[in-house]
Amino acid sequence: EVQLQESGPGLVKPSQSLSLTCSVTGYSITSNYWGWIRKFPGNKMEWMGYISYSGSTSYNPSLKSRISITRDTSKNQFFLQLNSVTTEDTATYYCARYRSYAHVADYWGQGVMVTVSS
Amino acid sequence: DVQMTQSLSYLAASPGESVSISCKASKSISNYLAWYQQKPGEAYKLLIYSGSTLQSGTPSRFSGSGSGTDFTLTIRSLEPEDFGLYYCQQYYEKPLTFGSGTKLEIK
Repeated sequence: EVQLQESGPGLVKPSQSLSLTCSVTGYSITSNYWGWIRKFPGNKMEWMGYISYSGSTSYNPSLKSRISITRDTSKNQFFLQLNSVTTEDTATYYCARYRSYAHVADYWGQGVMVTVSS
Repeated sequence: DVQMTQSLSYLAASPGESVSISCKASKSISNYLAWYQQKPGEAYKLLIYSGSTLQSGTPSRFSGSGSGTDFTLTIRSLEPEDFGLYYCQQYYEKPLTFGSGTKLEIK
């Protein structure tokens, strides 16, 4: 069974970087697409970006140059780094598997809440 | 970006009833529309994709319809476990965008 689990600090200071890990079991990240989505307080959802089976990436333009998604295929993990965070980046962050032929997320992690505060 | 609008933010219904949740796109997205369910403490679940195709494991009481700009998720004969948050998401173009969510409460 495909399982995803997010991990990372729950509190980040403004202007610092947010770094999260998604550990995948039951499926290789060298297949399909693997992405990050966040849910803000108030339930608004935002697609952040994904990394493909080949390592190419696609990001939401709203995040401009602040975002980076990378991977470690030896550990079957992929990562999110979001730079220069502000309080507006406070959200629950989810990692997910996307189908190769349609950008629908068919497996999700449970999510990790990240608060940006000094 | 394609804006997705779910006009109902909250909906309450009794077991056995049928409910419909609507989702409107700001431009035509053909049938590139998915529905997700989120329940407290659980991972998001993909219910429907391509507007009307049930994901494996989705109960048959769920159905999706629509194309272009207007879409509907219908749940026939509600079960108590159907409570939760429902989101639509378009994947016609990037950035992928979500509706604002509809919270379904079981009376």
